[in-house]
Amino acid sequence: KAGVTQTPRYLIKTRGQQVTLSCSPISGHRSVSWYQQTPGQGLQFLFEYFSETQRNKGNFPGRFSGRQFSNSRSEMNVSTLELGDSALYLCASSYEFLQTSGSYEQYFGPGTRLTVT
Amino acid sequence: GQNIDQPTEMTATEGAIVQINCTYQTSGFNGLFWYQQHAGEAPTFLSYNVLDGLEEKGRFSSFLSRSKGYSYLLLKELQMKDSASYLCAVRDPLAGNTGKLIFGQGTTLQVKP
Repeated sequence: KAGVTQTPRYLIKTRGQQVTLSCSPISGHRSVSWYQQTPGQGLQFLFEYFSETQRNKGNFPGRFSGRQFSNSRSEMNVSTLELGDSALYLCASSYEFLQTSGSYEQYFGPGTRLTVT
Repeated sequence: GQNIDQPTEMTATEGAIVQINCTYQTSGFNGLFWYQQHAGEAPTFLSYNVLDGLEEKGRFSSFLSRSKGYSYLLLKELQMKDSASYLCAVRDPLAGNTGKLIFGQGTTLQVKP
C-alpha cells in the first residue's frame, strides 16, 4: 500500500507570494491533518479535513487555508507569505475508527520544506 | 490551555535502556501517542495509550498514568539507529475522537557507541 505523498518536496518563495501544497493520503483514509514543524515551535496543528469538511482548526491566521477533495486528496494554501512561514509542512492521514477507543494512528507524509526569502 | 513537557535532549549508550518522560496538562484526556522522527524524515508511529499501564511492542514500551498526567517511552537494547527525536502527543480532548493532536517539543536522543 502506497504511503502518504506530498508535493512538492521543496519550495522557495518570496515574501508576499502565495503557495499551494498538496497531500495524497493512503488509499481508504478519509481524514487528512496538516501540521507545521519549526525548530522553535515543534509540530503545530493547522487543520484537519474529513469527508471534504474542515473538522478542526489550529491557532493560525486566516492566511492559512485548506480544502479536501472527494478523493480525499487535500491541499493547503498560504497567502501573503511571511518569513516566519518557513517550515516543514507535514500532512498526516488516518482511517476513521468508529469506536471511541480507536488508536486513530496517523501516518505522516515526507513533508514539504518551504523556505520564504 | 493544553501543555506537554518532554526533556529536550538525552544521551545513552548502545545496548543500554533509556526512558523518555512526558507530562501533560490538558482539560481531559483522550489518548496519548509516541512518534519517532529521524532527522529530515517524517514522524513514524510508535505507540498509543488510552488506558493506564504498560504497552510493550518489541524493544519499545510505553507507559501511561492518567491520574498523574504522565507517560514514558522505554527503549531497550539501544541501537545506533535509535538516534532520533521522540515526540509525545495527546489527542486534543476538546476535539473529540478526531485527528487533532497536540505535540510536545520532542526529545532528541543520541545513542553513542
